[in-house]
Amino acid sequence: QVQLQESGPGLVKPSETLSLTCTVSGGSINPYYWTWIRQPPGKALEWVGYIYYGGGTSYNPSLKSRVTMSLDTSKNQFSLNLNSVTAADTAVYYCARGKEMSRIIYFDYWGHGTLVTVSS
Amino acid sequence: DIQMTQSPSSLSASVGDRVTITCRASQSVTTYLNWYQHKVGKAPKLLIYAASSLQSGVPSRFSGSGSGTDFTLTISSLQLEDFATYYCQQIYSTPYTFGQGTKLEIK
Repeated sequence: QVQLQESGPGLVKPSETLSLTCTVSGGSINPYYWTWIRQPPGKALEWVGYIYYGGGTSYNPSLKSRVTMSLDTSKNQFSLNLNSVTAADTAVYYCARGKEMSRIIYFDYWGHGTLVTVSS
Repeated sequence: DIQMTQSPSSLSASVGDRVTITCRASQSVTTYLNWYQHKVGKAPKLLIYAASSLQSGVPSRFSGSGSGTDFTLTISSLQLEDFATYYCQQIYSTPYTFGQGTKLEIK
């Protein structure tokens, strides 16, 4: 059974960098789209972006200038860095596996999510 | 960005009821539409992909339909474990966007 687990600091100061890691167990890194999705308190889910197993990336344009994703296939992990954070980046961050079938991508496995609060 | 609008935002229903949730896209997404169930403190769960395909392991009381801009998720006979929040998501173009959610509550 595939499992995803987010890890990282739960509190980040304004203007600093939010760094999260997702560890994948029970399955291979390829050929999937490794994705971050977040949910600010009381708001809808927001797609942050993905990194493909081959290394290509796609980011939400609203965050693109501040986001970097990376993949460590040797550890079955992928990571999110979001710099220059503000209170608006406070959210539950989920990692998820994107699977493609006939050009349809769907997110079939998710982590339980980790709350990251931006506050001084 | 493609805007996804769900209705209703919340819904009260009883065990055994038939429930329909709608999702409308601001432009055509053909059938590039997924549905998820989310319970507080748990990982979201994929129910339906490509508008009408049932994800493996999901009970057959869940079904999806629609294409273009209008979609529905139907639960044919509500069970206690179905009370949750439901989200639609378009994967037609990036940024992939979600509806605001429909919270299904016990009447």
